[in-house]
This record gives sequence, structure tokens and C-alpha cells, in this order.
Amino acid sequence: GESVGLHLPTLSVQEGDNSIINCAYSNSASDYFIWYKQESGKGPQFIIDIRSNMDKRQGQRVTVLLNKTVKHLSLQIAATQPGDSAVYFCAETSMGTYKYIFGTGTRLKVLA
Amino acid sequence: DGGITQSPKYLFRKEGQNVTLSCEQNLNHDAMYWYRQDPGQGLRLIYYSQIVNDFQKGDIAEGYSVSREKKESFPLTVTSAQKNPTAFYLCASSSTTWGYTFGSGTRLTVV
Repeated sequence: GESVGLHLPTLSVQEGDNSIINCAYSNSASDYFIWYKQESGKGPQFIIDIRSNMDKRQGQRVTVLLNKTVKHLSLQIAATQPGDSAVYFCAETSMGTYKYIFGTGTRLKVLA
Repeated sequence: DGGITQSPKYLFRKEGQNVTLSCEQNLNHDAMYWYRQDPGQGLRLIYYSQIVNDFQKGDIAEGYSVSREKKESFPLTVTSAQKNPTAFYLCASSSTTWGYTFGSGTRLTVV
């Protein structure tokens, strides 16, 4: 299996419960943020993004919250399902740059 | 379907050997990137290219080389100078700086 994510913090939740995954970002100048989902052996998939002029954005079953005061980003997953099991990580960047800074990630385990 | 294709999925390298990882995209994206992913660490940028025939070093370019002869293709060569090449390598592309599309990755192992 894929060894990426072997030493990551793990969040275990019961199927049907809500999940909250947190990310502390590093650069106060960052103005665009993305959450990615990475399943074992696969590339990261875009989940949801948010710009710094917003503090909340909702998608299908997912919500991203941004707190610029404390440089904190969170991903909320409603009614967590077994298919949500994966590594989740955040990414930050500044407008006009190519360069993203990626968090180390959190492994989400959904318990049946 | 549009997307990024990385090949091979698994690659084994002998000591002192150069190997090349393929990355092809049909998204008509201008920019392409190579990242390295190690357990417990965030993605680290190796090289990136924003236009054909031009590329820039990322944070960990030593021991790697790239080319960008076509818009669709951005191959990465892991040279013998890279002393710890075992990792998961991800290619990405973007049309602007707002968000990447990633490939499915190549796992490289030194044998």
C-alpha cells in the first residue's frame, strides 16, 4: 500500500458523524486556500477553496472556515461516509505567485 | 477525458541509474509542476514551468532535471546525484496560479 501519510495525525469518526479537520497556515500574506483529499496510492483531489475576503464557504457536504486572525483553516465534513476515508491537507498561496505551501495532512478514518 | 497522466505508477531504480518519470496533460494548461511527497511531510516543489522551453528550480531541485519542449509534457529525470530518491512523485498543472490539477503519482523505489 501507499506509505505516504504513515506518520500523520489521525482523526477517527463514526460513520454519520461530522468531521472537523484543522490546518494552521504559515504565511499571513496568503490570500487563497485549498483543501485537498488524497486517497491511498492516488494523487490529491481538489475539494474546496476559499479566498481571504471570505470567512466561510460551503460545498456539497463540506464547509471551509477561515480565521485570518489566528491563521487557521478548517474543513468540516457533514455526515461522514466510509468513502471520506483519506488524507486531507490544506494549501495556501498568495495572489500572483506560482508557489503553494502544503500542510502535512491529517488522516481521516471512518468507523463503521 | 481531460486530465494529467503520470507513468509509470511504480518505478524501481538501481544505484547510480538515471530514471525518467513521464507527465502528460491535455488540459491546455500553461503551467506544470513536479512535487515530491515523503511520509509525514507536505509536498515539496522540485521544478516548475510556466511556459514552453522555460522552467525554474523549486525548493529541492538538486539531483533532478526537467524539460518542457511541449506544452503537454513535463518529464522529470531523477539522476544518480539524487542520493535519496525513494518517494512518491506528483505532477500537477494549472491554467493560472489558482489551484492545481494533480496526476495520480509515481512511486519510485531504489533497489
